[in-house]
Amino acid sequence: EDKVVQSPLSLVVHEGDTVTLNCSYEVTNFRSLLWYKQEKKAPTFLFMLTSSGIEKKSGRLSSILDKKELFSILNITATQTGDSAVYLCAVGLLNYGGATNKLIFGTGTLLAVQP
Amino acid sequence: KAGVTQTPRYLIKTRGQQVTLSCSPISGHRSVSWYQQTPGQGLQFLFEYFSETQRNKGNFPGRFSGRQFSNSRSEMNVSTLELGDSALYLCASSYAPDSQSSYNEQFFGPGTRLTVL
Repeated sequence: EDKVVQSPLSLVVHEGDTVTLNCSYEVTNFRSLLWYKQEKKAPTFLFMLTSSGIEKKSGRLSSILDKKELFSILNITATQTGDSAVYLCAVGLLNYGGATNKLIFGTGTLLAVQP
Repeated sequence: KAGVTQTPRYLIKTRGQQVTLSCSPISGHRSVSWYQQTPGQGLQFLFEYFSETQRNKGNFPGRFSGRQFSNSRSEMNVSTLELGDSALYLCASSYAPDSQSSYNEQFFGPGTRLTVL
């Protein structure tokens, strides 16, 4: 069964700290790994990774994928209270015989940034 | 460009009733996926539509169904509601130039919060 596991489940840090969120996966037909941020509303897209070892960066956030060890990390540097949210990792699948946008989600990491 | 819109935003129903939720994707996006989000199970894939055809389906009972119209708008229907159907239902749209393409990058709407009493 396809599975995506995130750790830690929750994390409390202080403003200015650096955090690393982990995502490991076991799926049969891997195509891509995506990170989303969810506050009290819809998940907002952060990154999509398809190649190993290539870091994607957006401001204080960065992410990298290791397809050999089947995991990804999301780093947030100089955290701010506005970074408080649930961070979701999802894996996109290849579907033999046709295309699909089906995503398998992890349960998320709840990040709380204290002032 | 307008984002994904969903209506209604909140809905309260009783067991046994049925409900229809609506989703309008980002302009130009022909792929629409539906997800159920609950505290216990997280985000789970329901189904995906592309050009009015269901392209993939998750492990949900037949009470959950959907359809897509020629303008890419999509609806999902849940019949004979159960208490366990209480959840946030999220719609996501994605660009796909043809039926054999997918880019996985999906943009979510605000969701419909369904409460079943």
